[in-house]
Amino acid sequence: EIVLTQSPGTLSLSPGERATLSCRASQTVNSNYVAWYQQKPGQAPRLLIYAVSTRPTGIPDRFSGSGSGTDFTLTVSRLEPEDFAVYSCQQYGNSPPTFGQGTKVE
Amino acid sequence: QEQLQESGPGLVKPSGTLSLTCAVSGDSISGVHWWTWVRQPPGKGLQWIGEIYHRGRMNYNPSLQSRVTISLDKSKNQFSLNLTSVTATDTAMYYCARGSSLLFSWGQGIPVTVSS
Repeated sequence: EIVLTQSPGTLSLSPGERATLSCRASQTVNSNYVAWYQQKPGQAPRLLIYAVSTRPTGIPDRFSGSGSGTDFTLTVSRLEPEDFAVYSCQQYGNSPPTFGQGTKVE
Repeated sequence: QEQLQESGPGLVKPSGTLSLTCAVSGDSISGVHWWTWVRQPPGKGLQWIGEIYHRGRMNYNPSLQSRVTISLDKSKNQFSLNLTSVTATDTAMYYCARGSSLLFSWGQGIPVTVSS
């Protein structure tokens, strides 16, 4: 199975700053099927990005995704107070789907 | 938008069976979607457990396949997870979600501890 490694483990930033999160795959992800999820304590995880760079309806445009092959990035252009959370990448182009270990933005 | 809610015992004895249910509201599990279980051990990343489609198709994570069963109860609009022969490594937050590999909406999760 594909192993996803996220970096950094923790990102310490302030509101208004830019957050850049990395996700590296152990092998090429088929069809660039990479997604990002946001997790907050006590809440359901939320899908932020799929197919590398597509935002579902309702996701603010300060969230963007990029990358290809084995290297993928989630960028939050200007952090809002509600964006401080854990972010996990996922590949769903190869079976079984796998997730990274998460990056905490604090 | 649909809502998903997990339920079940929060404590399971070693070698026992973990049984969880996901109640779906605002959508029909007999529709076009797949339904999935995911878990997250303490301090670790998410792990995809498996998925089911209303026409009886199921896919499981190979690492859990020998112990996992996912089933549908169309009369109650819910789906279930059974995990047998549990050990402490099965202690985790368990989530149900709508979608196949890509998960569009999730429940809030239910913590399950395996301990005697």
